[in-house]
Amino acid sequence: QKEVEQNSGPLSVPEGAIASLNCTYSDRGSQSFFWYRQYSGKSPELIMFIYSNGDKEDGRFTAQLNKASQYVSLLIRDSQPSDSATYLCASPIYNQGGKLIFGQGTELSVKP
Amino acid sequence: GAGVSQSPSNKVTEKGKDVELRCDPISGHTALYWYRQSLGQGLEFLIYFQGNSAPDKSGLPSDRFSAERTGGSVSTLTIQRTQQEDSAVYLCASSRGLLNTEAFFGQGTRLTVV
Repeated sequence: QKEVEQNSGPLSVPEGAIASLNCTYSDRGSQSFFWYRQYSGKSPELIMFIYSNGDKEDGRFTAQLNKASQYVSLLIRDSQPSDSATYLCASPIYNQGGKLIFGQGTELSVKP
Repeated sequence: GAGVSQSPSNKVTEKGKDVELRCDPISGHTALYWYRQSLGQGLEFLIYFQGNSAPDKSGLPSDRFSAERTGGSVSTLTIQRTQQEDSAVYLCASSRGLLNTEAFFGQGTRLTVV
C-alpha cells in the first residue's frame, strides 16, 4: 500500500456544486496533512493544512480529518471553473524522518 | 529571498551531457526536497535533506543522479549522462523542517533532453 493514496479522477462537477476530494494514508503516526492545488504547467501551491481530527474551514474550502479511519478529505463549496486543477494530498511520514509524501493527485474539472 | 528559487527555469541539453539544477530555499528552512514530475504524472520523490542529517536518497532513480546541499542552504541536483527519459519538470520545495510544517515549492526547472 502506498503511504498516501488518492483517486486519480478525473472528477467532474458542475459550477456551483460541492467537489469532494479524498485521500487515505497508511502511517498511523502521521500527524499533519496538506492539500496542494496544481494548475497545469505550474508548481503546487498549498491551500489547506489540518492537524486535528474534525473539520477545518477556510472560505469555500473545508478539510476533514478522521485519524481512526486514516482518511482526509477536501470539500470545495460553490465550485468555480477556476477551481479546475489537480489537487494533491500530502503528509510527512513520521517513521521516515518526516519526509513529505504526496498522493498521485486528483484532477478536478468544474464545468460552467 | 521571499520564496523558493530554482534555476534555470528551462534547460535543453543533448543526450549524454551532464546538467546541474539549482535550488535556493526559503531562508531559515532546514528541510529541502527534490521531486520530479513527468508530463501528466504525479510528484516523484527524489531526495530529502533535513538539517545536518544524512540525506534520504531513496528516491533517486539511478546512480546518474546525485544532489548536495551546501551550508544547509542552496542545493544542487546533478544528472550525469542525461537520457531522454530524464526529461521532466524538477521541483524543489523547502519547509521549516518540523513534522507539522508545510512545504513551499519553487517554480521548477523544465529539463528537455534531445
